[in-house]
Formats: sequence, C-alpha cells, structure tokens
Amino acid sequence: EAQVTQNPRYLITVTGKKLTVTCSQNMNHEYMSWYRQDPGLGLRQIYYSMNVEVTDKGDVPEGYKVSRKEKRNFPLILESPSPNQTSLYFCASSWSSGTDTQYFGPGTRLTVL
Amino acid sequence: AQTVTQSQPEMSVQEAETVTLSCTYDTSESDYYLFWYKQPPSRQMILVIRQEAYKQQNATENRFSVNFQKAAKSFSLKISDSQLGDAAMYFCAYRIRQGGSEKLVFGKGTKLTVNP
Repeated sequence: EAQVTQNPRYLITVTGKKLTVTCSQNMNHEYMSWYRQDPGLGLRQIYYSMNVEVTDKGDVPEGYKVSRKEKRNFPLILESPSPNQTSLYFCASSWSSGTDTQYFGPGTRLTVL
Repeated sequence: AQTVTQSQPEMSVQEAETVTLSCTYDTSESDYYLFWYKQPPSRQMILVIRQEAYKQQNATENRFSVNFQKAAKSFSLKISDSQLGDAAMYFCAYRIRQGGSEKLVFGKGTKLTVNP
C-alpha cells in the first residue's frame, strides 16, 4: 500500500530533550516536506527536500533540523525542544515539486512541557 | 506576501444540500497549482481536488467542484448533495515553484458541519 508513515504518532517530552520524528514514504517520491499545524493558523511549511541531500527552509524553520540521506526518509529533528513547538506535525511527499499532489502522513502530536 | 484567505471560519449545511467554501489567494506568480484538502476528525489530510492555474476549465471530482477565477484570485469549493461524511476542516492551498524553491501555502481552514 502506498503511504507516508510517521513515528511516533504521539509524543510528550520536556524542554531541551532532543527528539526525532521519523517520516518514510514507499512511493519513490522525490519531494518531501514537513508542516506544523496550530489552531487558527492552518498548516505552515517547516522544511522541504526536493531530492536526496537537497533541503531548504520553509516559512517556520527556526528550532528544527532535517536531513535527507535516503530518498524514502526525511526525519525532523528538534535539538532542544521548547513549549512553543507543541503542535501537530505532518510529513508529506510527492513525485516532484511544484505540480504534483502531496500525500500526507497521519500526523504526529507533540507536546513539549 | 503570499497568502491564502479563507474568510469563513465555520460553515454549516443540511444533508443533501449544496454548500460553497470560499478561498482567495495572493501571488505574483503565473504558474501555480491550487488544492482543497479535507481534514476529518481523524486529522488525516485528504486531497479533495486540484486545479492547474493555466487551465481555464474548472476541476470537478464527483460531488466536488471548484469555481476558479484567476483574475480575481479566487478558488471556491462547491460540495453538492452534502453527506454526513463531508463534515471536516477544509483547507485551501496553493503551490508554486519560485526559482529554485518550493512553497505550499495554506489557508487557516473552514470547519464544515453537516446537519442531518
């Protein structure tokens, strides 16, 4: 089944404790992206990757890191999480960039205490 | 600034009736793509419909259709014969490629309630 998976689905952590949210897709998509969703703000793009080893900032990259060592994986890293990073996070992928429909993962609910 | 505006935070419709959700956007680009996504209580983001900006013909997917007015930068979603399963948050978004960068910009969403 073609899908985008994220792990964990739920995470409660404390300020400053490094964490990684994994994202994997099995569709051989070139483009992958991370979003955060906050009430009243819709979805905002954090980082995206147009191919392996190619990443770029979205609208709200501060406090996040990403890497794209393999085509299928695009982990989101929070080196020192803070309470303002409490949010719902989505990973998405598409064949290429600009024209194609993005397929979203199920979301990761992160709470930083 | 590139923005997407959904002016209706909440809408409601009677089952089997028709409802239209509005969306306007602001971009200086000529080549872009527009999308409506649905987010039910499960939180999964589900593509409803997409429209290429260079196409004049409005996209249609079963009970879902759009009214795309490029000059007015308007992209409304019409849901016909509304069903209880249509109840969800609906997000309008556009996607552009600008130079070497990509951007997908979302509106803040419209919560649709379907009354039996």
